[in-house]
Amino acid sequence: GAVVSQHPSWVICKSGTSVKIECRSLDFQATTMFWYRQFPKQSLMLMATSNEGSKATYEQGVEKDKFLINHASLTLSTLTVTSAHPEDSSFYICSARGAPGGDTQYFGPGTRLTVL
Amino acid sequence: QKEVEQNSGPLSVPEGAIASLNCTYSDRGSQSFFWYRQYSGKSPELIMFIYSNGDKEDGRFTAQLNKASQYVSLLIRDSQPSDSATYLCAVIMEYGNKLVFGAGTILRVKS
Repeated sequence: GAVVSQHPSWVICKSGTSVKIECRSLDFQATTMFWYRQFPKQSLMLMATSNEGSKATYEQGVEKDKFLINHASLTLSTLTVTSAHPEDSSFYICSARGAPGGDTQYFGPGTRLTVL
Repeated sequence: QKEVEQNSGPLSVPEGAIASLNCTYSDRGSQSFFWYRQYSGKSPELIMFIYSNGDKEDGRFTAQLNKASQYVSLLIRDSQPSDSATYLCAVIMEYGNKLVFGAGTILRVKS
């Protein structure tokens, strides 16, 4: 149990375009979802926390107008990187928390974004 | 002082040995503690969580928690080359809603 999927697993786009990444909890209802970014050989960096039906809470330094997060249902959250630039190229990982794990976070497989 | 501290390693152990990974945390009121494993280029996967003082065993893994010393550890028995990865310690602070991660310890198991 406690499976989280992400789509797409990788994406290449041109600079200036927008990219949407989906995160789904497949076998449980995720009351809270988290979005992380990880650059090569660096630690996970939390970008934002989203609760179903409410606005996301962004970490300091993360532009909310650039990284749009929608948590429309208890099983789906999306991250849209708007007007992507090469410096946005990174590994984006979501995690979900809810039953059955209490406060345990389960991670999706990640999406590798490359902006040309 | 970092909120969650881990030795970055690499920690090298021979195959079949016990690997001991350590983590300290700053918030004395923290209640939930997690160990994740992350292979290069992959996302973290949960190994185990622990809430109470003492040991918790799951297969070859044992998590140990000492709240008085603000210390949590992970022991891996009979280490295998496939255990080579970065091990992340994560803590939910007393009034927090999110995981606070350590920087991770790189483990290398040599065959």
